[in-house]
Amino acid sequence: GENVEQHPSTLSVQEGDSAVIKCTYSDSASNYFPWYKQELGKGPQLIIDIRSNVGEKKDQRIAVTLNKTAKHFSLHITETQPEDSAVYFCAASSSGNQFYFGTGTSLTVIP
Amino acid sequence: DTAVSQTPKYLVTQMGNDKSIKCEQNLGHDTMYWYKQDSKKFLKIMFSYNNKELIINETVPNRFSPKSPDKAHLNLHINSLELGDSAVYFCASSQDTAGGREQYFGPGTRLTVT
Repeated sequence: GENVEQHPSTLSVQEGDSAVIKCTYSDSASNYFPWYKQELGKGPQLIIDIRSNVGEKKDQRIAVTLNKTAKHFSLHITETQPEDSAVYFCAASSSGNQFYFGTGTSLTVIP
Repeated sequence: DTAVSQTPKYLVTQMGNDKSIKCEQNLGHDTMYWYKQDSKKFLKIMFSYNNKELIINETVPNRFSPKSPDKAHLNLHINSLELGDSAVYFCASSQDTAGGREQYFGPGTRLTVT
């Protein structure tokens, strides 16, 4: 089955700086890679996703890059704000409706 | 309107009891899921249903039984609760689209077994 690894497990940045979270996956059949943000006491919320036929996708301050050859994908948050503080999860999915999640990154943005 | 809803939000019960968690989605999605999130925040899939049929059943004790009365509902029944069942349980739903397989989560049910 798929194995998704996520790094770092914790990340602290100053407000206004950029944050980068990296994930690797093992199954070349995975073709969909979502990122989720989980705030305290809430469910994970989809913030951006990318399909395997695309190398990069951007939505305002958030971007995701995918390297299919190396089997890794990354989340980039620019101009971080205190409200970006949360736990972020990457995931990988193939066509079988199965989602494999990374272990999460706790991001703290220091004002 | 809430897209994926779960009840109850909190559930405190004693070992050996039987309890149920309900989930409903109003997104018209075909697939629904149950996940367990432990104290270390690891998210692990338990079950997946597509159009009321079980398609994924990970290594979960048979004390856990999902039931899907229709496409919009996926309930989770747990028999003979154990201390290790304490966790946050999330329901989710998804739909295949041209852009991907967007999955939406409910707010979670925090189960505490004493």
